[in-house]
Amino acid sequence: SQTIHQWPATLVQPVGSPLSLECTVEGTSNPNLYWYRQAAGRGLQLLFYSVGIGQISSEVPQNLSASRPQDRQFILSSKKLLLSDSGFYLCAWSVTSGMNTEAFFGQGTRLTVV
Amino acid sequence: GEDVEQSLFLSVREGDSSVINCTYTDSSSTYLYWYKQEPGAGLQLLTYIFSNMDMKQDQRLTVLLNKKDKHLSLRIADTQTGDSAIYFCAESSGRYGNKLVFGAGTILRVKS
Repeated sequence: SQTIHQWPATLVQPVGSPLSLECTVEGTSNPNLYWYRQAAGRGLQLLFYSVGIGQISSEVPQNLSASRPQDRQFILSSKKLLLSDSGFYLCAWSVTSGMNTEAFFGQGTRLTVV
Repeated sequence: GEDVEQSLFLSVREGDSSVINCTYTDSSSTYLYWYKQEPGAGLQLLTYIFSNMDMKQDQRLTVLLNKKDKHLSLRIADTQTGDSAIYFCAESSGRYGNKLVFGAGTILRVKS
């Protein structure tokens, strides 16, 4: 069966510090991978998605970047965090069967920038 | 472009039915989804409907799709306190490479 691992679960970082959130998927190959941010407990915003190794699409201009060094690994990074980067970050993967795209989410990382 | 909108908040009494509404703009949407997010957790798929269907029922859940009006609803019968969560509507189409587009979520609060 497929599983998705996202860590850490919570993170408190000072303003200006770097960030690296990691997400890995098991049990599937060549998945689409996503990073979402959820601010203030609601409102899911798509940040990045990837359809293959090294292929990253950015949905909104921001202080963050994403990389996919391996097929089932997706990393969210920042060189210098801002207060506005605080939020709940969710990694997800999806598989498309025909035109049906079902997504599976990790448990999320609660990031607080202080 | 793609856009999905939902009502922000719904409060119901335990045992009543809940109806959460969603509208979308992409007429080429092929599948529409309902996800549930419990506090501090990721999203879980509740149900989905193919765009050529009008209704889908799964136990206490009923999904209605009005493709002409681009309106999707989720009805939860006999709502329980454990149904309190945020419910997200989402749509996908081949136009955007099967990318899922989510609404902002509807907070459902069930009062006992």
